Amino acid sequence: QQQVKQSPQSLIVQKGGISIINCAYENTAFDYFPWYQQFPGKGPALLIAIRPDVSEKKEGRFTISFNKSAKQFSLHIMDSQPGDSATYFCAASTPNDYKLSFGAGTTVTVRA
Amino acid sequence: SAVISQKPSRDICQRGTSLTIQCQVDSQVTMMFWYRQQPGQSLTLIATANQGSEATYESGFVIDKFPISRPNLTFSTLTVSNMSPEDSSIYLCSVEWHQGDEQFFGPGTRLTVL
Repeated sequence: QQQVKQSPQSLIVQKGGISIINCAYENTAFDYFPWYQQFPGKGPALLIAIRPDVSEKKEGRFTISFNKSAKQFSLHIMDSQPGDSATYFCAASTPNDYKLSFGAGTTVTVRA
Repeated sequence: SAVISQKPSRDICQRGTSLTIQCQVDSQVTMMFWYRQQPGQSLTLIATANQGSEATYESGFVIDKFPISRPNLTFSTLTVSNMSPEDSSIYLCSVEWHQGDEQFFGPGTRLTVL
């Protein structure tokens, strides 16, 4: 049973466009929500993360929006570039054990 | 962030054999984890590698199949025992970094079992 549900499974966006990936969770004990980027043949790389005490966090072209009452969070990739083409995973963990529960992943393709 | 290396990077093995995967970190870390990523799938936690004590396994994973060692704060091994084709996956180690919740992953070991 997947604790974090992620959508869409894949998306295609034009260069310069916005990619939006959504995740939802049920476990209200989750208190840490990272996003990972994975290129083929590589390990996942930590992209950006958020805690429930803030509603938004921005790092460069990447923004996490967090809605605690809806138990949802999303990743926005602004001005998408071909180099952003990768698989993105949302995840969540509970305090102190650091065990990550991952979403199913979203494959993003940015067309030049 | 931590620099994590894994050996081997990939291997092709025969069914019934075992493979030991090594994970080395360039700094001492408290918590290390092992994940499995089946082809085209997400990551699933296998176990937490505890330094000086037995690993803590997640539901569906057992010590006889996936024995883990953690002899010190910078090194861990995962053995995939008595392999079958269903064990073909990428195996990833990760480390929790300085109690800040940030978790960093190694490059992975791509295992193919024939």
